This record gives sequence, C-alpha cells and structure tokens, in this order.
Amino acid sequence: NAGVMQNPRHLVRRRGQEARLRCSPMKGHSHVYWYRQLPEEGLKFMVYLQKENIIDESGMPKERFSAEFPKEGPSILRIQQVVRGDSAAYFCASSPVASGNTDTQYFGPGTRLTVL
Amino acid sequence: QQQVKQSPQSLIVQKGGISIINCAYENTAFDYFPWYQQFPGKGPALLIAIRPDVSEKKEGRFTISFNKSAKQFSLHIMDSQPGDSATYFCAAHQGGSEKLVFGKGTKLTVNP
Repeated sequence: NAGVMQNPRHLVRRRGQEARLRCSPMKGHSHVYWYRQLPEEGLKFMVYLQKENIIDESGMPKERFSAEFPKEGPSILRIQQVVRGDSAAYFCASSPVASGNTDTQYFGPGTRLTVL
Repeated sequence: QQQVKQSPQSLIVQKGGISIINCAYENTAFDYFPWYQQFPGKGPALLIAIRPDVSEKKEGRFTISFNKSAKQFSLHIMDSQPGDSATYFCAAHQGGSEKLVFGKGTKLTVNP
C-alpha cells in the first residue's frame, strides 16, 4: 500500500518562473492538505481540498499561489512568479475522510523548492 | 502569533535516558493533539496522539501527558535510543476545521 507520493522531491526555479508541485494521496484517500515548512520552523497549513473542491484555503497567500485536486490525477500546488521567500519544503498530506479529531493526516516526503 | 508553543528547541539525551518535550496552547477550540516524528529529508510521521478528555496515553516507550486546565501537553520518550534521534513536532487540531497547527519542533539527539 503506497503512501502519499510527491514529486518532484527537489525543484529549483529562478525568480519569476512557475513551480508546480504534485501530490498523489494514499489509495482510498479523497482529502488532501498542503503545508509549507520554512527552515527551522514547524509546518504551516495552506489549503485543504477534496476532489474538485477547495474546502479551506485560509492559509494560502492571496497572490501567486493556487491549488487544485481534479477528478482524475494528482493534486497540484502551483506557485507563479516565484520569489526567494518561496524557498521551503512543501508537504502534502491525505486522509480517507475529513480528518477532524477522529483520524489523522498521513504526510508525503515533501518537495523541497529552491528559488535562485 | 504562535498558537502552539514547543520547547525545548533542541535536546540532547544519553542512550537509555528520558526525553521530555513540552507544548502549550491557548486556543480552547483545539480538540486533538498528535505528535509527529520527522527524520531529515522525510515527511512527518504520526507517532502518538491524544484527545483532551484523556490525561495520559502510552504506546510502547512513548507517553503523552495532557493537562487540560493548564493547556499543556508533553511527550515522554522512555529508554531513549539513538534511532529516536529526529525532530519532533507537537500539533493541535482546530475544531470545526481540518487544520493542524504545529509547534516549531524539537531536534532530539540521543547519544550512544
């Protein structure tokens, strides 16, 4: 039973380019969460999605960042016109149902984005 | 504003010793408190979790102690081993949402 898969594992972009991060949830999981981890910091919630729906994007920066979870295929976190401050590790998590306080979120290995 | 405060930032323990990591929170809407273990280059993995109606939960060498009135909880690792060397994060689930709020992490080093 494969875990949460993320690719690429490492991504290097120059300022102004676009970054696309992919997340395939665990089999049977229909809820996806994205978190960002800055160096020496804990993870910060960005967005929660179900298939074809954004449920909570309260942690997403207002500009340049977007996320989707289409009916078919992985969830995508897209960062347009990247800046150096976007350099971080981006983690995706999934759960079979809304995790609430009865289940947990299972994390992928992360994508480490470096903006030059 | 740090909703979950974690201490210490780093911890060095001898093999066989007890590792203790503390977390404190303010938001009474938190209703579930997991601890995650993260090795370098890996994603966080759930270690143990507790709900606020329980004061203690033990799984093997790992114990969570929870003090609801003080809004504090802690992770105890008994008989610490070098393989326990990792970064540990406490987290809190915000009731009514799907967010996990994380502490800043504690880097644990267990010397052989």
